[in-house]
Amino acid sequence: EPEVTQTPSHQVTQMGQEVILRCVPISNHLYFYWYRQILGQKVEFLVSFYNNEISEKSEIFDDQFSVERPDGSNFTLKIRSTKLEDSAMYFCASRFSSGGHTDTQYFGPGTRLTVL
Amino acid sequence: AQKVTQAQTEISVVEKEDVTLDCVYETRDTTYYLFWYKQPPSGELVFLIRRNSFDEQNEISGRYSWNFQKSTSSFNFTITASQVVDSAVYFCALRSSGTYKYIFGTGTRLKVLA
Repeated sequence: EPEVTQTPSHQVTQMGQEVILRCVPISNHLYFYWYRQILGQKVEFLVSFYNNEISEKSEIFDDQFSVERPDGSNFTLKIRSTKLEDSAMYFCASRFSSGGHTDTQYFGPGTRLTVL
Repeated sequence: AQKVTQAQTEISVVEKEDVTLDCVYETRDTTYYLFWYKQPPSGELVFLIRRNSFDEQNEISGRYSWNFQKSTSSFNFTITASQVVDSAVYFCALRSSGTYKYIFGTGTRLKVLA
Protein backbone atom coordinates (compact mmCIF):
# COMPACT_ATOMS: atom_id res chain seq x y z
CA GLU A 1 0.00 0.00 0.00
CA PRO A 2 1.46 3.39 -0.94
CA GLU A 3 2.47 5.60 1.95
CA VAL A 4 3.96 8.97 2.74
CA THR A 5 7.60 8.78 3.83
CA GLN A 6 9.65 11.32 5.74
CA THR A 7 13.35 11.74 6.41
CA PRO A 8 15.06 11.97 8.76
CA SER A 9 13.06 10.38 11.54
CA HIS A 10 14.90 12.51 14.09
CA GLN A 11 16.88 15.70 13.54
CA VAL A 12 18.89 17.45 16.22
CA THR A 13 20.14 20.94 15.50
CA GLN A 14 21.55 23.97 17.22
CA MET A 15 19.48 27.11 17.66
CA GLY A 16 19.93 29.44 14.69
CA GLN A 17 20.78 26.67 12.23
CA GLU A 18 18.80 25.93 9.12
CA VAL A 19 17.05 22.59 8.77
CA ILE A 20 15.32 20.93 5.86
CA LEU A 21 12.75 18.25 6.50
CA ARG A 22 11.99 15.96 3.61
CA CYS A 23 8.84 14.19 2.55
CA VAL A 24 7.90 11.92 -0.31
CA PRO A 25 4.12 12.10 -0.74
CA ILE A 26 2.07 9.31 -2.25
CA SER A 27 2.91 9.33 -5.93
CA ASN A 28 -0.41 10.29 -7.54
CA HIS A 29 -1.38 12.81 -4.88
CA LEU A 30 -1.72 16.47 -5.78
CA TYR A 31 -2.09 18.29 -2.46
CA PHE A 32 0.62 18.45 0.15
CA TYR A 33 0.69 19.61 3.75
CA TRP A 34 2.90 20.18 6.73
CA TYR A 35 1.64 19.97 10.29
CA ARG A 36 3.49 20.08 13.57
CA GLN A 37 2.85 18.61 16.99
CA ILE A 38 4.64 20.00 20.00
CA LEU A 39 5.19 17.18 22.48
CA GLY A 40 1.98 16.16 24.18
CA GLN A 41 -0.11 18.74 22.34
CA LYS A 42 -2.45 18.72 19.40
CA VAL A 43 -1.54 18.57 15.76
CA GLU A 44 -1.41 22.04 14.18
CA PHE A 45 -1.68 22.98 10.53
CA LEU A 46 1.28 24.84 9.04
CA VAL A 47 0.85 25.03 5.28
CA SER A 48 -0.81 23.49 2.25
CA PHE A 49 0.69 23.33 -1.23
CA TYR A 50 -0.92 22.71 -4.59
CA ASN A 51 0.11 23.27 -8.18
CA ASN A 52 3.55 24.45 -7.09
CA GLU A 53 2.37 27.16 -4.79
CA ILE A 54 1.21 27.69 -1.24
CA SER A 55 -2.59 27.50 -1.10
CA GLU A 56 -3.02 28.23 2.58
CA LYS A 57 -0.83 28.86 5.61
CA SER A 58 -1.28 29.39 9.31
CA GLU A 59 0.02 32.16 11.57
CA ILE A 60 2.76 29.79 12.68
CA PHE A 61 4.15 29.64 9.14
CA ASP A 62 6.11 32.90 9.21
CA ASP A 63 9.05 34.09 7.14
CA GLN A 64 11.33 31.58 8.83
CA PHE A 65 9.49 28.76 7.08
CA SER A 66 9.40 27.84 3.42
CA VAL A 67 8.23 24.88 1.39
CA GLU A 68 9.34 23.55 -1.93
CA ARG A 69 8.65 20.75 -4.33
CA PRO A 70 12.06 20.57 -5.99
CA ASP A 71 11.22 17.66 -8.24
CA GLY A 72 8.34 15.35 -9.04
CA SER A 73 8.56 13.37 -5.83
CA ASN A 74 9.93 15.36 -2.90
CA PHE A 75 8.24 17.99 -0.77
CA THR A 76 10.42 19.88 1.70
CA LEU A 77 9.96 22.15 4.70
CA LYS A 78 12.81 24.51 5.46
CA ILE A 79 13.21 26.37 8.73
CA ARG A 80 15.71 29.12 8.12
CA SER A 81 16.93 29.90 11.62
CA THR A 82 15.62 27.44 14.18
CA LYS A 83 14.40 28.50 17.60
CA LEU A 84 13.97 26.39 20.71
CA GLU A 85 10.20 26.57 20.29
CA ASP A 86 10.46 24.91 16.87
CA SER A 87 11.17 21.64 18.65
CA ALA A 88 8.27 19.41 17.67
CA MET A 89 7.19 16.48 15.56
CA TYR A 90 6.63 17.59 11.97
CA PHE A 91 4.18 15.63 9.88
CA CYS A 92 3.89 15.70 6.13
CA ALA A 93 0.55 14.73 4.59
CA SER A 94 -0.82 14.34 1.09
CA ARG A 95 -4.14 13.76 -0.60
CA PHE A 96 -5.20 13.04 -4.13
CA SER A 97 -7.96 15.55 -4.75
CA SER A 98 -10.82 17.27 -3.05
CA GLY A 99 -14.18 15.75 -2.37
CA GLY A 100 -15.28 12.19 -2.18
CA HIS A 101 -13.16 9.48 -0.70
CA THR A 102 -10.03 11.12 -2.09
CA ASP A 103 -10.36 14.00 0.36
CA THR A 104 -8.56 12.16 3.11
CA GLN A 105 -5.08 13.31 4.05
CA TYR A 106 -2.58 10.54 4.64
CA PHE A 107 0.19 11.35 7.07
CA GLY A 108 3.82 10.36 7.08
CA PRO A 109 5.51 8.93 10.18
CA GLY A 110 6.86 12.33 11.20
CA THR A 111 10.26 13.91 11.80
CA ARG A 112 11.09 14.74 15.37
CA LEU A 113 13.01 18.01 15.41
CA THR A 114 15.00 18.86 18.52
CA VAL A 115 16.51 22.33 18.73
CA LEU A 116 19.23 22.74 21.36
CA ALA B 1 -14.74 29.89 13.73
CA GLN B 2 -13.85 26.25 13.49
CA LYS B 3 -13.08 24.23 16.53
CA VAL B 4 -12.85 20.62 17.67
CA THR B 5 -13.24 19.73 21.32
CA GLN B 6 -12.21 16.44 22.83
CA ALA B 7 -13.08 16.94 26.46
CA GLN B 8 -11.70 13.61 27.63
CA THR B 9 -7.97 14.03 28.13
CA GLU B 10 -7.32 10.48 29.22
CA ILE B 11 -9.42 7.36 29.63
CA SER B 12 -8.37 4.08 31.21
CA VAL B 13 -10.34 0.89 30.71
CA VAL B 14 -9.78 -2.75 31.37
CA GLU B 15 -9.40 -5.03 28.38
CA LYS B 16 -12.72 -6.16 26.84
CA GLU B 17 -14.58 -3.13 28.11
CA ASP B 18 -16.34 -0.88 25.62
CA VAL B 19 -15.20 2.72 25.47
CA THR B 20 -16.55 5.84 23.76
CA LEU B 21 -14.39 8.78 22.80
CA ASP B 22 -16.26 12.06 22.45
CA CYS B 23 -15.76 14.69 19.77
CA VAL B 24 -17.71 17.93 19.48
CA TYR B 25 -17.08 20.28 16.60
CA GLU B 26 -17.96 23.84 15.64
CA THR B 27 -18.20 25.24 12.14
CA ARG B 28 -20.43 27.69 10.31
CA ASP B 29 -20.06 25.83 7.04
CA THR B 30 -22.82 23.56 5.85
CA THR B 31 -20.37 21.30 4.06
CA TYR B 32 -17.57 19.85 6.11
CA TYR B 33 -15.67 16.64 6.76
CA LEU B 34 -14.85 14.89 9.99
CA PHE B 35 -12.04 12.46 10.65
CA TRP B 36 -10.62 10.24 13.35
CA TYR B 37 -6.93 9.43 13.52
CA LYS B 38 -5.06 7.10 15.87
CA GLN B 39 -1.59 7.96 17.15
CA PRO B 40 0.04 4.88 18.72
CA PRO B 41 3.12 5.23 20.94
CA SER B 42 5.32 5.00 17.84
CA GLY B 43 4.01 8.45 16.88
CA GLU B 44 2.54 8.11 13.41
CA LEU B 45 -0.98 9.26 12.58
CA VAL B 46 -3.16 6.47 11.30
CA PHE B 47 -6.35 7.34 9.44
CA LEU B 48 -9.44 5.58 10.81
CA ILE B 49 -12.51 7.16 9.26
CA ARG B 50 -13.87 10.08 7.29
CA ARG B 51 -17.43 11.42 7.38
CA ASN B 52 -19.12 14.02 5.18
CA SER B 53 -21.55 16.49 6.71
CA PHE B 54 -24.30 15.33 4.38
CA ASP B 55 -23.95 11.69 5.37
CA GLU B 56 -25.21 11.03 8.88
CA GLN B 57 -25.24 7.30 8.53
CA ASN B 58 -23.39 5.65 11.37
CA GLU B 59 -20.63 3.24 10.52
CA ILE B 60 -19.26 0.08 11.99
CA SER B 61 -15.92 -1.44 11.12
CA GLY B 62 -15.12 -4.50 13.16
CA ARG B 63 -14.82 -3.42 16.79
CA TYR B 64 -14.96 0.28 15.82
CA SER B 65 -18.14 2.29 15.36
CA TRP B 66 -18.85 5.95 14.84
CA ASN B 67 -21.94 7.95 15.77
CA PHE B 68 -22.34 11.18 13.82
CA GLN B 69 -25.09 13.53 15.04
CA LYS B 70 -25.39 16.92 13.36
CA SER B 71 -28.05 18.03 15.85
CA THR B 72 -25.49 17.95 18.65
CA SER B 73 -22.41 18.59 16.47
CA SER B 74 -20.86 15.38 17.70
CA PHE B 75 -18.89 12.62 16.07
CA ASN B 76 -18.21 10.02 18.74
CA PHE B 77 -16.07 6.93 18.39
CA THR B 78 -16.75 3.67 20.20
CA ILE B 79 -14.38 0.75 20.57
CA THR B 80 -16.13 -2.46 21.52
CA ALA B 81 -14.28 -5.13 23.51
CA SER B 82 -11.16 -3.01 23.79
CA GLN B 83 -7.72 -4.57 23.48
CA VAL B 84 -4.32 -3.52 24.77
CA VAL B 85 -3.30 -2.70 21.18
CA ASP B 86 -5.98 -0.02 21.14
CA SER B 87 -3.90 2.00 23.58
CA ALA B 88 -3.06 5.23 21.77
CA VAL B 89 -3.98 8.88 21.48
CA TYR B 90 -7.03 9.39 19.30
CA PHE B 91 -7.58 12.64 17.45
CA CYS B 92 -10.77 13.97 15.94
CA ALA B 93 -10.33 16.46 13.07
CA LEU B 94 -12.50 18.80 11.02
CA ARG B 95 -12.08 20.20 7.54
CA SER B 96 -14.59 22.74 6.28
CA SER B 97 -15.17 23.26 2.59
CA GLY B 98 -13.26 26.24 1.28
CA THR B 99 -10.19 25.48 3.34
CA TYR B 100 -7.46 22.91 2.98
CA LYS B 101 -6.43 22.56 6.56
CA TYR B 102 -7.54 20.10 9.17
CA ILE B 103 -8.40 21.39 12.61
CA PHE B 104 -7.48 18.81 15.20
CA GLY B 105 -8.81 18.34 18.67
CA THR B 106 -6.44 18.00 21.59
CA GLY B 107 -6.71 14.23 21.52
CA THR B 108 -7.84 11.60 24.00
CA ARG B 109 -5.26 9.23 25.42
CA LEU B 110 -6.77 5.77 25.76
CA LYS B 111 -5.08 3.26 28.02
CA VAL B 112 -6.34 -0.29 27.85
CA LEU B 113 -5.12 -2.35 30.77
CA ALA B 114 -4.66 -6.09 30.57
